[in-house]
Amino acid sequence: QKEVEQDPGPLSVPEGAIVSLNCTYSNSAFQYFMWYRQYSRKGPELLMYTYSSGNKEDGRFTAQVDKSSKYISLFIRDSQPSDSATYLCAMFKAAGNKLTFGGGTRVLVKP
Amino acid sequence: DTAVSQTPKYLVTQMGNDKSIKCEQNLGHDTMYWYKQDSKKFLKIMFSYNNKELIINETVPNRFSPKSPDKAHLNLHINSLELGDSAVYFCASSQDRGAMAEAFFGQGTRLTVV
Repeated sequence: QKEVEQDPGPLSVPEGAIVSLNCTYSNSAFQYFMWYRQYSRKGPELLMYTYSSGNKEDGRFTAQVDKSSKYISLFIRDSQPSDSATYLCAMFKAAGNKLTFGGGTRVLVKP
Repeated sequence: DTAVSQTPKYLVTQMGNDKSIKCEQNLGHDTMYWYKQDSKKFLKIMFSYNNKELIINETVPNRFSPKSPDKAHLNLHINSLELGDSAVYFCASSQDRGAMAEAFFGQGTRLTVV
């Protein structure tokens, strides 16, 4: 079993819909939780970064962390075709300076 | 103005060859990384250098050797290339070793071994 699990998709939604992405993890030592967006043939770019359980909002993006369930989510409101990309979750623990990525979910927003 | 740049962008080579990938960052960051992304999109850390000092060395075949001539450059040399080395290799940099999660990534080098 991988430390971080993420459904590879693809997830296809119509423009304007809410995109819902999630990851589960097994290592309770993870302290920081991130979401990256990766466009085709490009490097990942950091979207959201949270430390504790709860919600964090940034524009159309909301990240949720539930440490008790070892489950994190990313919601994209009012999705646009430009949101079409692969979204990677990642988790970090300071001890050992280790960043572990999920395999990414491919999202397609259709106009 | 490119923050993290890698060359080449594409590399097709035969098994057994030796090749190098170069990376440069102009962000003034102290820490640089090499990641490997396989065909299933899993991104895994390979190496990290902080101010020219190797700080992360994951379980990677010793055919892979990183070199950091200065803190703005981190190169990756691969000896005796194998089919399984085919992947996209990403260079990244962060302000310091504690900011790994906030690293900036390059565009990647797509390596195909035939």
